[in-house]
Amino acid sequence: RKEVEQDPGPFNVPEGATVAFNCTYSNSASQSFFWYRQDCRKEPKLLMSVYSSGNEDGRFTAQLNRASQYISLLIRDSKLSDSATYLCVVGWGGSQGNLIFGKGTKLSVKP
Amino acid sequence: GAVVSQHPSRVICKSGTSVKIECRSLDFQATTMFWYRQFPKQSLMLMATSNEGSKATYEQGVEKDKFLINHASLTLSTLTVTSAHPEDSSFYICSAEGAGGRSDTQYFGPGTRLTVL
Repeated sequence: RKEVEQDPGPFNVPEGATVAFNCTYSNSASQSFFWYRQDCRKEPKLLMSVYSSGNEDGRFTAQLNRASQYISLLIRDSKLSDSATYLCVVGWGGSQGNLIFGKGTKLSVKP
Repeated sequence: GAVVSQHPSRVICKSGTSVKIECRSLDFQATTMFWYRQFPKQSLMLMATSNEGSKATYEQGVEKDKFLINHASLTLSTLTVTSAHPEDSSFYICSAEGAGGRSDTQYFGPGTRLTVL
């Protein structure tokens, strides 16, 4: 079983749509959770950390369900500029631990 | 499919030693491999891009003589941190981009945690 699993997509949505990405992780000892955004052939950039209480940053909402080992990212009112690959990332081992990257979900927002 | 492995997953070494990290694409041919590093509480930073059989392209500020990259085959790239110092302690992660149906998608390895004492 892969450690971090995501639907690869692509998700093709019109501008203004709401889109949700899901991610599951296998290591119950995982301690930190993130969503990264990666533009084509560029380095991934941290979009947001994910907390058990859920967190929101503008149009982006992230949720974590530790019991189900499930992470989600919701994008509301999607923009053309949201087109990118979204990577689910799980960390373990504290500050000296490692990050496991999911394969990413590709999003394409169309006019 | 599309599995990328890295070895070792964790290494602790003394200052001044050289460390080699391997990145392998296990079930596809990677025409391009990328090396990143991440310092604590920072995002990933691209260090270099390597294409099989040619010299790596380094990002600004990355010393090519200190971080030697070899991409000798379509399934293997290595990063050697020469004369490592404590400030090189970081999380190093590679990704591989394939050809054809796997082009334009990067598959990430599990990363290598380097600690230099």
